[in-house]
Amino acid sequence: DAGVIQSPRHEVTEMGQEVTLRCKPISGHDYLFWYRQTMMRGLELLIYFNNNVPIDDSGMPEDRFSAKMPNASFSTLKIQPSEPRDSAVYFCASSATAGEQFFGPGTRLTVL
Amino acid sequence: GNSVTQMEGPVTLSEEAFLTINCTYTATGYPSLFWYVQYPGEGLQLLLKATKADDKGSNKGFEATYRKETTSFHLEKGSVQVSDSAVYFCALRKAGANSKLTFGKGITLSVRP
Repeated sequence: DAGVIQSPRHEVTEMGQEVTLRCKPISGHDYLFWYRQTMMRGLELLIYFNNNVPIDDSGMPEDRFSAKMPNASFSTLKIQPSEPRDSAVYFCASSATAGEQFFGPGTRLTVL
Repeated sequence: GNSVTQMEGPVTLSEEAFLTINCTYTATGYPSLFWYVQYPGEGLQLLLKATKADDKGSNKGFEATYRKETTSFHLEKGSVQVSDSAVYFCALRKAGANSKLTFGKGITLSVRP
């Protein structure tokens, strides 16, 4: 298995632009997680899905952030409009029920 | 609610030194406990885990024992290598089928040759 796949690996954009991050979980996993990592705040859980349904989005910072999971093999995290304080590394992870979480390589987002 | 507390970092050691990274937790019931490691430029990966009291997780020379009486899951290694330089995260998953993890803040380990 290729593991969790994220794209793009790096994204540089200007303030106010829309940013879309993509994730392909490991086949057969029924949980998908989006995390954000910064030096100041560490690793934060933004939202997670079970069987494509959002279960807990309490970590989503504000309405500028949205996440979807249209099917079992694809999820997106969208920021619109982006701001410099959104600069971070965004990780996607997937797991089978009560199993180990497998993390993707991350997307490094820089908002100028 | 559930929480994980890790010792403050960073930690710098010489090669072959003994390593202890402290982790304590707060949770109801009997959570599962994990150590994840993040090498530079990569995502997190599971290092070891323990699912019940007195269990010892081990991998790559690292060990941690689930101590319910002290609510701790300290990570140890007898002789660190330069290649162990990474960020280490302690985490818990509360009892039940949910896969959500609660992570500590992480601690950076640097090992000098």
